[in-house]
Amino acid sequence: ELKVEQNPLFLSMQEGKNYTIYCNYSTTSDRLYWYRQDPGKSLESLFVLLSNGAVKQEGRLMASLDTKARLSTLHITAAVHDLSATYFCAGAQGGSEKLVFGKGMKLTVNP
Amino acid sequence: NAGVTQTPKFRILKIGQSMTLQCAQDMNHNYMYWYRQDPGMGLKLIYYSVGAGITDKGEVPNGYNVSRSTTEDFPLRLELAAPSQTSVYFCASSYDPGGRLHSNQPQHFGDGTRLSIL
Repeated sequence: ELKVEQNPLFLSMQEGKNYTIYCNYSTTSDRLYWYRQDPGKSLESLFVLLSNGAVKQEGRLMASLDTKARLSTLHITAAVHDLSATYFCAGAQGGSEKLVFGKGMKLTVNP
Repeated sequence: NAGVTQTPKFRILKIGQSMTLQCAQDMNHNYMYWYRQDPGMGLKLIYYSVGAGITDKGEVPNGYNVSRSTTEDFPLRLELAAPSQTSVYFCASSYDPGGRLHSNQPQHFGDGTRLSIL
């Protein structure tokens, strides 16, 4: 059974700083998703990573996937307040449609 | 396009009542999903559908039923509501034209239904 763990679960950082958050998964997952959720809102897709070594970037966020280590990272560059949100990663169980989500990482970026 | 539309947005039920959460998408997506999100937790998959007439259980299906008679609609039925079903429910859809068993595309989420059972 696939398990997805995120760390840290809470992060408070200053504007302008860089940071990396981690998503580990327990068994083979053939794709890895990152989503953002603002308080009281729905989920917004950020990245879909499909293969080992995949790297995708959008603005100040860059996601990567290492299937051998069963690890995905989300790197934040020069954080701004607008990045404050909860970030979820999700893996796909056994090549099926069954996504398993991590608990999410709540990011607060302080001025 | 409206995307994924969920109704109602809020609902309070009494224990033992039943209700149907509605979900409709106008993007001609073949895959649809229902999730629940409890406070401070990630999403858990309740049921999903890979096309009209085809549904399958997710991680937490007990106490729920679904049907998929059309591509656009994927209602979630709660029978005999229990306090443990108090949650925020999200419907999502995705599309993959490749005929694979799974979609490589991101899932598009509705705004959610906040359900309280007292």
